[in-house]
Amino acid sequence: DGGITQSPKYLFRKEGQNVTLSCEQNLNHDAMYWYRQDPGQGLRLIYYSQIVNDFQKGDIAEGYSVSREKKESFPLTVTSAQKNPTAFYLCASSIMTQETQYFGPGTRLLVL
Amino acid sequence: KNEVEQSPQNLTAQEGEFITINCSYSVGISALHWLQQHPGGGIVSLFMLSSGKKKHGRLIATINIQEKHSSLHITASHPRDSAVYICAVHGGATNKLIFGTGTLLAVQP
Repeated sequence: DGGITQSPKYLFRKEGQNVTLSCEQNLNHDAMYWYRQDPGQGLRLIYYSQIVNDFQKGDIAEGYSVSREKKESFPLTVTSAQKNPTAFYLCASSIMTQETQYFGPGTRLLVL
Repeated sequence: KNEVEQSPQNLTAQEGEFITINCSYSVGISALHWLQQHPGGGIVSLFMLSSGKKKHGRLIATINIQEKHSSLHITASHPRDSAVYICAVHGGATNKLIFGTGTLLAVQP
């Protein structure tokens, strides 16, 4: 079955620690995205990648980093510089930018 | 003011009712999406449209480009339709997806 997987579903970390969220897709999509969702707000774009070895900052990139070494994988690192990291993180992919995006199940990060 | 506004924010309906969720946007767009998010958090894309109307099962989406407005209709609503419905547009200066805050729909049996 083709799709997007994110792991883990829930993640707990202590304040000051970096944490990496996994996103893998086997849809052969070129474009991948990371979004953050907070209560009462629309999804906000953190980073996106249109092709392997290339990525761009979204609207709220500060305190986050990404890599795109393989087409299938787009991990997101939440660094200690992110002031308010507790949120629901969604990964998505599409054939190209401006096409329908397919979303993963999300990772809920709680920083204590 | 948000570039994408949805109404209502919350909606409770009885099973079988006809439901309408509205989306207005203030930027030029190339396409509009309707998404469904279930309580577990996963998001499913329902429609992508740039003009006219699309139908899939009991769901109908319409868009009026001149009025910058879209509606999502659910006919013969069912409790399993309970979810958050999100409107998003490809538009603005960057042409990335801009999301509304969602409409929480609860369909009671």
